[in-house]
Amino acid sequence: GQQVMQIPQYQHVQEGEDFTTYCNSSTTLSNIQWYKQRPGGHPVFLIQLVKSGEVKKQKRLTFQFGEAKKNSSLHITATQTTDVGTYFCAGPRTTDSWGKLQFGAGTQVVVTP
Amino acid sequence: GAVVSQHPSRVICKSGTSVKIECRSLDFQATTMFWYRQFPKKSLMLMATSNEGSKATYEQGVEKDKFLINHASLTLSTLTVTSAHPEDSSFYICSARSDRVGETQYFGPGTRLLVL
Repeated sequence: GQQVMQIPQYQHVQEGEDFTTYCNSSTTLSNIQWYKQRPGGHPVFLIQLVKSGEVKKQKRLTFQFGEAKKNSSLHITATQTTDVGTYFCAGPRTTDSWGKLQFGAGTQVVVTP
Repeated sequence: GAVVSQHPSRVICKSGTSVKIECRSLDFQATTMFWYRQFPKKSLMLMATSNEGSKATYEQGVEKDKFLINHASLTLSTLTVTSAHPEDSSFYICSARSDRVGETQYFGPGTRLLVL
């Protein structure tokens, strides 16, 4: 079945450093979405990428959609303690018409001051 | 915009009782609502999809008689955990989407259920 994989599963980062988390789909996606879940909280929508090769920035966060629309990345520069949380990517299920999403396992980010 | 509320935020109940969780889209009409279950440090596991006025569709392995879903209006869906047991203890999260905003899902704050 359709799978969305994320690496790494855990990311320990020193405050001020950069890091990247990757998302890979077993199928071509019409779009990819990223969500952030703070500890004890719920997932919050960050962004949606639709076009092949698309790059979008939100302050220190840079999101990229691969040319083949099967992978995506999230790059965070100058990590801050507010970046702590789990970042999930999700893509539409290819066999569904109700808008179901296939979520990756998430990358849990821990920031050391 | 796109605010989803969930009630209650936390519930403790005795084994064998039923618990109802409400999910409301506050500022938009939700074409579809989704119910997820999340275990600690794990990803979101989709339980069921509900559309207003029609029966919910359940994911494989999810007991529909155990987890009753009602989508009475375009702004309200409810999940009832019937005859709850300790293994039903979990974090339950709903999300809602509208055809007008594409496939983005907006999540409620979640309900932590503890069954004693």
